[in-house]
Amino acid sequence: GAVVSQHPSWVICKSGTSVKIECRSLDFQATTMFWYRQFPKQSLMLMATSNEGSKATYEQGVEKDKFLINHASLTLSTLTVTSAHPEDSSFYICSARDRGRHSPLHFGNGTRLTVT
Amino acid sequence: LAKTTQPISMDSYEGQEVNITCSHNNIATNDYITWYQQFPSQGPRFIIQGYKTKVTNEVASLFIPADRKSSTLSLPRVSLSDTAVYYCLVGDPLRGGSYIPTFGRGTSLIVHP
Repeated sequence: GAVVSQHPSWVICKSGTSVKIECRSLDFQATTMFWYRQFPKQSLMLMATSNEGSKATYEQGVEKDKFLINHASLTLSTLTVTSAHPEDSSFYICSARDRGRHSPLHFGNGTRLTVT
Repeated sequence: LAKTTQPISMDSYEGQEVNITCSHNNIATNDYITWYQQFPSQGPRFIIQGYKTKVTNEVASLFIPADRKSSTLSLPRVSLSDTAVYYCLVGDPLRGGSYIPTFGRGTSLIVHP
């Protein structure tokens, strides 16, 4: 089945630093990838839609200058949390879907970000 | 964008059948219904997807009535390992850039011994 690999699975960083999270579709091409954030005991909140070769579309309330998304190829999207603060600590999840099909979303295993 | 409503939580016991219903009153003609399972600190995992009537795979069945305004995920003979949060999503993946997969609150299923 389709596999989405997300890296790292967890990261601890100091306040003010930047962290990059990678999301790769391993056995299919993904023209669109989605980035979510999930706080404890809550549902997934969509942050942005990442389209290959174009600028990401951010959901209302998500700062595009803080959460930089790059989708340079059909198999890789990255999310960079810039100048991270403790309130950015969360579980970040990416997903992707096969292009041109009614296929479901395939999710990465998430990245636990802790900002100290 | 079809909004979904599910029970917040459900309890069951090992070996029982569990049915989780999702309401999506404003589902569009081309929308599919997809269910995901999520364990703590993991990404959601695809369970089943359907458009109408009944779909069955090796882990679950999905029942969709004729009006498609709701759907029921059926898990036969649950075990402790089925304890998770279950989400239903409604949308048309072929809608291209306007497909916004939005999660509702999901249903937290707890299976007791």
